[in-house]
Amino acid sequence: KQEVTQIPAALSVPEGENLVLNCSFTDSAIYNLQWFRQDPGKGLTSLLLIQSSQREQTSGRLNASLDKSSGRSTLYIAASQPGDSATYLCAVMGAAGNKLTFGGGTRVLVKP
Amino acid sequence: DGGITQSPKYLFRKEGQNVTLSCEQNLNHDAMYWYRQDPGQGLRLIYYSQIVNDFQKGDIAEGYSVSREKKESFPLTVTSAQKNPTAFYLCASATGSSYNEQFFGPGTRLTVL
Repeated sequence: KQEVTQIPAALSVPEGENLVLNCSFTDSAIYNLQWFRQDPGKGLTSLLLIQSSQREQTSGRLNASLDKSSGRSTLYIAASQPGDSATYLCAVMGAAGNKLTFGGGTRVLVKP
Repeated sequence: DGGITQSPKYLFRKEGQNVTLSCEQNLNHDAMYWYRQDPGQGLRLIYYSQIVNDFQKGDIAEGYSVSREKKESFPLTVTSAQKNPTAFYLCASATGSSYNEQFFGPGTRLTVL
């Protein structure tokens, strides 16, 4: 059974610092990996999706890498801003391409 | 305006009652999903449907039921058999294509009184 872990559970950084969020998964036979953002009491917003054949994806200040063999993905957020404060969730889709397994999330606070 | 809507935003239930949460999408997506989120935790899959009139149990289906009579609608019923239903419920949809990115609704917060 796939297990997804995100460490640390919470992170606090000063504005302008780069953020590095980690995600690890136990079964490397994945279809894709998705990073989401969640604001308190809200739904999830998709940030980046990396297909199993890809090594990374970029969107603006966000960059996500994928290393399937080691079961790891990293989300980098450059030059953090207070508006980046949220919970970031990593989710892995199994090889059958039909179900996402989520990590517990990393709660990020960017201090002005 | 394309998207996923969930209603109601807040729902209160007395013990022993069944309640139904609504999820509608106008994205023409084939697949729809229901997740449960408990405080400070990630999401757990309750049920999913990849095509109309078909659905499968997820990891925590006990005490829940669903139907998929229309492509755009995937209602979730929380039955009295669900022992701890207080949670945040999220609905999602996906194209079902090789890309298969999931998009989420705003959620329904269910509280049992």
